[in-house]
Amino acid sequence: AQTVTQSQPEMSVQEAETVTLSCTYDTSESDYYLFWYKQPPSRQMILVIRQEAYKQQNATENRFSVNFQKAAKSFSLKISDSQLGDAAMYFCAYRSLFQGGKLIFGQGTELSVKP
Amino acid sequence: SAVISQKPSRDICQRGTSLTIQCQVDSQVTMMFWYRQQPGQSLTLIATANQGSEATYESGFVIDKFPISRPNLTFSTLTVSNMSPEDSSIYLCSGGGADTEAFFGQGTRLTVV
Repeated sequence: AQTVTQSQPEMSVQEAETVTLSCTYDTSESDYYLFWYKQPPSRQMILVIRQEAYKQQNATENRFSVNFQKAAKSFSLKISDSQLGDAAMYFCAYRSLFQGGKLIFGQGTELSVKP
Repeated sequence: SAVISQKPSRDICQRGTSLTIQCQVDSQVTMMFWYRQQPGQSLTLIATANQGSEATYESGFVIDKFPISRPNLTFSTLTVSNMSPEDSSIYLCSGGGADTEAFFGQGTRLTVV
């Protein structure tokens, strides 16, 4: 069975600075998807970024980028030029290509942004 | 991506009663998923719902406690039955398939007293 681990329950960053959230996972599959989701207090799950395992190039979305290390089974999220609106719970998630689309989530990292 | 309207957004219920949560998608989706998020915790999959077949439940979740309906490709319900305070959680529905992005409803915050 696949597992996802986020070892940082809380992180803090100064506005305009850069922060990196860590995620590791365990799987025996060679092809899969990895995601970072943001959950603000509104509870709405918002997709931040997605990475296909077969792609060597790291995904980027504006201020958000990932460092995907397949051999190490590591998938960290870097947020550049942090903004107050980035404050939220961030979840790393794994999706198998063979299990119908269900997501396996990490424990989450609570990010606070200081003005 | 598609939009899911989830109702109710929150409810306070008496123990021993049942609550049905509804999710309406603005387009047809193959798979729908129901997750539970206990206070301060991550999301845990309860079950996967396909149209025309019984839902597939994850370990630790049973149909008698969490019956699910999926009458068509745009709608699903989850019922939390015979509730106890331990059922107090956020319940989220999600849609999508193996090759499509997952999208979520707004969540239902359930408090059982």
